[in-house]
Amino acid sequence: SQKIEQNSEALNIQEGKTATLTCNYTNYSPAYLQWYRQDPGRGPVFLLLIRENEKEKRKERLKVTFDTTLKQSLFHITASQPADSATYLCASSSNTGKLIFGQGTTLQVKP
Amino acid sequence: NAGVTQTPKFQVLKTGQSMTLQCAQDMNHEYMSWYRQDPGMGLRLIHYSVGAGITDQGEVPNGYNVSRSTTEDFPLRLLSAAPSQTSVYFCASSYDREEQYFGPGTRLTVT
Repeated sequence: SQKIEQNSEALNIQEGKTATLTCNYTNYSPAYLQWYRQDPGRGPVFLLLIRENEKEKRKERLKVTFDTTLKQSLFHITASQPADSATYLCASSSNTGKLIFGQGTTLQVKP
Repeated sequence: NAGVTQTPKFQVLKTGQSMTLQCAQDMNHEYMSWYRQDPGMGLRLIHYSVGAGITDQGEVPNGYNVSRSTTEDFPLRLLSAAPSQTSVYFCASSYDREEQYFGPGTRLTVT
């Protein structure tokens, strides 16, 4: 079955460092991948979308890559700040056009 | 714009009771969907709609009904609540099935 997997272990990093989160997909080839941020008790908020023909996309301190050979997307936050602490969700289009979400990775940025 | 609104924010039901979770959006989006979020499971699609009068099942539709009589509203009905339906429910809308706008969520407990 089509699956998206993110590292379920929390990622703890020091302020100022680059955070890198991983999203792997199996058994399908998504047309695009999306990344969302979710704060406790709130709904997810869209951050970035990258299409299969794009290798990299940037938005301010955020960078997303899409490697169709490795079947993987990496999400980077450079110069991380405590305010970046949240859960980050990866999502992709399935073959039926529906959105599939990963379970999310919690990022904790320590001052 | 209010974006996507959901009511109620919290609800406690007894097993066997029925209720409707309300969702409305004021962005004139054709695409709307309902997700449930459980610890360690990520967001799972329950039902979705690509326009007024058109609905389809997602990954976990059993025990839930939807209808879409207007572009703005997409209510989710629990027919006979079960403890397994204890979860946080999110409604989302989008213009083109890509960038999703999520509501604040409804936290439902079934005892």
